[in-house]
Amino acid sequence: DGGITQSPKYLFRKEGQNVTLSCEQNLNHDAMYWYRQDPGQGLRLIYYSQIVNDFQKGDIAEGYSVSREKKESFPLTVTSAQKNPTAFYLCASSTKGGLWQFFGPGTRLTVL
Amino acid sequence: AQSVTQLDSHVSVSEGTPVLLRCNYSSSYSPSLFWYVQHPNKGLQLLLKYTSAATLVKGINGFEAEFKKSETSFHLTKPSAHMSDAAEYFCVVSFREGGSQGNLIFGKGTKLSVKP
Repeated sequence: DGGITQSPKYLFRKEGQNVTLSCEQNLNHDAMYWYRQDPGQGLRLIYYSQIVNDFQKGDIAEGYSVSREKKESFPLTVTSAQKNPTAFYLCASSTKGGLWQFFGPGTRLTVL
Repeated sequence: AQSVTQLDSHVSVSEGTPVLLRCNYSSSYSPSLFWYVQHPNKGLQLLLKYTSAATLVKGINGFEAEFKKSETSFHLTKPSAHMSDAAEYFCVVSFREGGSQGNLIFGKGTKLSVKP
């Protein structure tokens, strides 16, 4: 089955710690995206990557970092510099130049 | 500037009655428009898409939407609500500018409640 997987589904971290969220896709898509979702705010773009070894900042990149070493993987690191990291994080992918995106099931991060 | 507005943050209907979720956009370019649905603690699923073909678009689960350029609207409708339709719905716009990859712009979402 083709799709996007995100792990873990729920993640807890202590304040001041970095944490990495996993996103893997087997759709052979070139482009991948990370969004943050907060209640009543829709989705906001954190980072996106249109090709391996290249990525661009989205609207709210501060306090986050990404890498794109493989086509199928686009991990997101939430660093201790992110002031309000508790949120639901969604990964998505699309074909190169594709208009719509396929979404993973999400990871809910809670900072204790 | 491009934007998308979902006019209702919450809509409540009774099972078997029609559903209308409203969405307006503003753009200097020809947009592509989408509706996504999200069930609690799940990812987003594409319901339907408009990409400059037929203005009346049919999607999954009996939903449809009509692109009205004169009204800059893309409202989502369903003739008869089902309990399983209770979820949050996002109107999304994609713009192409000068050939560069357009990112998606999300509305803030409309929560649909369905009463028995």
